[in-house]
Amino acid sequence: GDSVTQMEGPVTLSEEAFLTINCTYTATGYPSLFWYVQYPGEGLQLLLKATKADDKGSNKGFEATYRKETTSFHLEKGSVQVSDSAVYFCALRTGAGSYQLTFGKGTKLSVIP
Amino acid sequence: SQTIHQWPATLVQPVGSPLSLECTVEGTSNPNLYWYRQAAGRGLQLLFYSVGIGQISSEVPQNLSASRPQDRQFILSSKKLLLSDSGFYLCAWSTGLAGNYEQYFGPGTRLTVT
Repeated sequence: GDSVTQMEGPVTLSEEAFLTINCTYTATGYPSLFWYVQYPGEGLQLLLKATKADDKGSNKGFEATYRKETTSFHLEKGSVQVSDSAVYFCALRTGAGSYQLTFGKGTKLSVIP
Repeated sequence: SQTIHQWPATLVQPVGSPLSLECTVEGTSNPNLYWYRQAAGRGLQLLFYSVGIGQISSEVPQNLSASRPQDRQFILSSKKLLLSDSGFYLCAWSTGLAGNYEQYFGPGTRLTVT
């Protein structure tokens, strides 16, 4: 079945540091890939997405590139801020007929001033 | 624009008591609706989804049930709560359009069963 593997956290960075959160997946067909962010006590917000190989999703300074050859969708940001502290989830959905998003277990990011 | 509401925001219930969590979506028609549970230290688990009024699919057998009495209303229920039902419950919606697979989440309900 489909699965998503994220790097285990927590990740602690200083403000303005470079962020990478690794995400790899196993899926049949050609999935759409997503990154969601969950701030403390809140629901999940869609951060960015990519629907086909080599697509780059970007939002709020975050980027991720759909790499079919390595089945990866790593999240990056060049300079993190304290306000980026949250839990980040990588997710995928395969094509028509599947309604389920398959999530990774989440990576907690703490950014310290 | 579309918005999704959940209530209550927090709930503390004794074991064996009933449960009813409500989710409503505004600003869209015929959405697909989902209930997820997020347990501490674990990822999100899809519990139910619905593609239309009265149409419910269950992903995980348990003592919870779901209903969709109206197009934009989704209810999660239990007749008798278990300790293991504690968690953060998230409702989500997506369009029913082919190719649009992202889901949009509500603010969640924190349920503690004591």
